[in-house]
Amino acid sequence: DTEVTQTPKHLVMGMTNKKSLKCEQHMGHRAMYWYKQKAKKPPELMFVYSYEKLSINESVPSRFSPECPNSSLLNLHLHALQPEDSALYLCASSLSVWGVQPQHFGDGTRLSIL
Amino acid sequence: QKEVEQNSGPLSVPEGAIASLNCTYSDRGSQSFFWYRQYSGKSPELIMSIYSNGDKEDGRFTAQLNKASQYVSLLIRDSQPSDSATYLCAVNLGGIQGAQKLVFGQGTRLTINP
Repeated sequence: DTEVTQTPKHLVMGMTNKKSLKCEQHMGHRAMYWYKQKAKKPPELMFVYSYEKLSINESVPSRFSPECPNSSLLNLHLHALQPEDSALYLCASSLSVWGVQPQHFGDGTRLSIL
Repeated sequence: QKEVEQNSGPLSVPEGAIASLNCTYSDRGSQSFFWYRQYSGKSPELIMSIYSNGDKEDGRFTAQLNKASQYVSLLIRDSQPSDSATYLCAVNLGGIQGAQKLVFGQGTRLTINP
């Protein structure tokens, strides 16, 4: 069990659907992250939030829309995804984005686009 | 040159032996280094962090850092079959205004043979 909770664990959606991924942590961390991981590849950074503000966007397509409603929650809104977007989506958190704080990952959401 | 490089393996080690995993990085300004373990179908799990030159030991795990050579390694003593996993080296490259940007190597797949 991890202290970063992601829901749902699995999601299957069509290319015209709208869905959201959710991430929650109660460790008092002020930095939260979204990563995408394809099979047999390392995680790739998508977004970084620091104190509920978007800090880094790694040129992610606009069909992915992040949201950080408060310090404990991070959402990733999905719309009009493509089959190549099928992957494991990982949320992580750390004490802050500054310095040397390690990141702790949730269990991920496995997303399949039909 | 990739920012973080690892030998993808597979690395096969007999049970009870020492497993040695290596990683090099390109950014001389990097200050923090992490090893994550990822079992198949699971999310990355932080097992070691290291920030200063030298060795850091935690149970059967030892992380080694040499900033002059831009080299970080992980030793696993008394290897167990449960250590079979992909090991990801991650380096904080520091992004916009110093915000943490964690970049992963490709991962080394380790198999411990009983």
